[in-house]
Amino acid sequence: GQNIDQPTEMTATEGAIVQINCTYQTSGFNGLFWYQQHAGEAPTFLSYNVLDGLEEKGRFSSFLSRSKGYSYLLLKELQMKDSASYLCAVRDSSTDKLIFGTGTRLQVFP
Amino acid sequence: SQTIHQWPATLVQPVGSPLSLECTVEGTSNPNLYWYRQAAGRGLQLLFYSVGIGQISSEVPQNLSASRPQDRQFILSSKKLLLSDSGFYLCAWSEESYEQYFGPGTRLTVT
Repeated sequence: GQNIDQPTEMTATEGAIVQINCTYQTSGFNGLFWYQQHAGEAPTFLSYNVLDGLEEKGRFSSFLSRSKGYSYLLLKELQMKDSASYLCAVRDSSTDKLIFGTGTRLQVFP
Repeated sequence: SQTIHQWPATLVQPVGSPLSLECTVEGTSNPNLYWYRQAAGRGLQLLFYSVGIGQISSEVPQNLSASRPQDRQFILSSKKLLLSDSGFYLCAWSEESYEQYFGPGTRLTVT
């Protein structure tokens, strides 16, 4: 079957670091994506991992372990504008489609 | 650079009325195109995808249909809306199997 799990909600303080985890089970794997979605807006692409390891892009980093079916998104130096939902999505290699998790709603407090 | 447009931004329609949502992409050729629906508090559900003109794959049996009359135009339609069709409709494009980029979305409320 296909399943993507993320925590429903997280809170953090401005300036802190937060890690959002994602675990997945798919019939095939061909890459993992992270998207940011502010309330009422469309998702915007953040990162893509297809090989194991850490991909860093400014304040945001994404990690992948294919053997564990696990990824995380790391947000450093949190800002108020980082309050949003973060969606984990996996491309299933058998269908070549993206399967989205339900998202993690992050609230950043001053 | 590539841009993706959707309209309308918001729509309130009565049950049983027809629907037509339009999506256009600029700055790319032969993109893969997708229609998703996001219900309140739920994840993105893939409704249709297209790899070329006239080529539509349906993911979920429902009263919705999609068409791609031109390379960069994707239309989502319904002949008779149901209450359960309410949601946030998102069009997305990608080049082959790379990351998908989403349009601004249409918020549909069926009353």
